[in-house]
Amino acid sequence: EAGVAQSPRYKIIEKRQSVAFWCNPISGHATLYWYQQILGQGPKLLIQFQNNGVVDDSQLPKDRFSAERLKGVDSTLKIQPAKLEDSAVYLCASSLSGGLADTQYFGPGTRLTVL
Amino acid sequence: AQTVTQSQPEMSVQEAETVTLSCTYDTSESDYYLFWYKQPPSRQMILVIRQEAYKQQNATENRFSVNFQKAAKSFSLKISDSQLGDAEMYFCAYFETASKLTFGTGTRLQVTL
Repeated sequence: EAGVAQSPRYKIIEKRQSVAFWCNPISGHATLYWYQQILGQGPKLLIQFQNNGVVDDSQLPKDRFSAERLKGVDSTLKIQPAKLEDSAVYLCASSLSGGLADTQYFGPGTRLTVL
Repeated sequence: AQTVTQSQPEMSVQEAETVTLSCTYDTSESDYYLFWYKQPPSRQMILVIRQEAYKQQNATENRFSVNFQKAAKSFSLKISDSQLGDAEMYFCAYFETASKLTFGTGTRLQVTL
């Protein structure tokens, strides 16, 4: 079974530029998550999708971050404009239904460096 | 809000020995799940083991086992017969219904010869 795919693996941009990350979850998984992991910390949830609807985006900085999950499969996370403090690893995860007994499976992440 | 605390930023163990990584959490819920994930330099979070709060029996996966103390809100990970490949970052995480997966700050495990 293929795992969660993410691209690109690395991205370096200058502040005020835009960047987009792509995620393809495990086939059949209805729930998709985007996490931000700053160096030295655990991942922090940015947004959770159930199919193509948003379940939780309370920690998403909506003035600069946006995410969508068209057709309930792939998802993109965009930052516009980027700030220095956005330098982090962005992890995508998916689970079968988002239920209590589900396990979240993570992709390899995208390391973003903002100069 | 739920919090997960890993008080050991780094731990070291000799190859073939046993090491225990600590994790405590704070919750008022009675049903929830606890997880240990490991994160290699490639950054992908890989599930090591999980435990449902309602289950009395501690979970075990090969050389990995947990000591789940519900009343004390403690969830430690024991790695037996440590191998060089176990040298990674380990994250404890908590999950309850209608909430988010909450991670601790991680413990870096070093395995020495």
